[in-house]
Amino acid sequence: DAKTTQPNSMESNEEEPVHLPCNHSTISGTDYIHWYRQLPSQGPEYVIHGLTSNVNNRMASLAIAEDRKSSTLILHRATLRDAAVYYCILTKTNTGNQFYFGTGTSLTVIP
Amino acid sequence: NAGVTQTPKFRILKIGQSMTLQCAQDMNHNYMYWYRQDPGMGLKLIYYSVGAGITDKGEVPNGYNVSRSTTEDFPLRLELAAPSQTSVYFCASRGTGSSPLHFGNGTRLTVT
Repeated sequence: DAKTTQPNSMESNEEEPVHLPCNHSTISGTDYIHWYRQLPSQGPEYVIHGLTSNVNNRMASLAIAEDRKSSTLILHRATLRDAAVYYCILTKTNTGNQFYFGTGTSLTVIP
Repeated sequence: NAGVTQTPKFRILKIGQSMTLQCAQDMNHNYMYWYRQDPGMGLKLIYYSVGAGITDKGEVPNGYNVSRSTTEDFPLRLELAAPSQTSVYFCASRGTGSSPLHFGNGTRLTVT
């Protein structure tokens, strides 16, 4: 299965944009890119996902490189509530349907 | 809708005891998953199911068993609890295609 690589930790100032990177150089054509986040002492929650085109929703934007070997989760204005561990996951939805989580990026938001 | 419901929220087991962690979803999702999360670590996939009657192993299945007799329920069974199974267990479900995972609130299990 294709793996993802994320920085262990990042910091951001409150109300500034945050760009969380994810490398997935072995991605295949059928792999979707999913992002989840886990707030302290809670279960993971869905943030956004995409296949080839950039995606926007009320929580964040997902920018996918043209070769699909990397992607970036963009939080437009970080708030203290955005402090969490962010996971980038690849998943094949035509076979197996496994969702494997890595160690993610721990985001600290500085007031 | 309740979403994904896990019971119990907390449990302490003695070594060698057995128990079943319950997971139920009311979204008519075909796919269901069990994960464990050790302190400070990411989630590890234990077992998953693509529909009633069908289950398959994930990354760390040893020491666990699952069954999927209905679409709604996906219980996780620990037969002989060991201290290494102390963890937080999360159940998740999803619909078809590229739809995302919906997680329960977790069960915190301690084996002493």
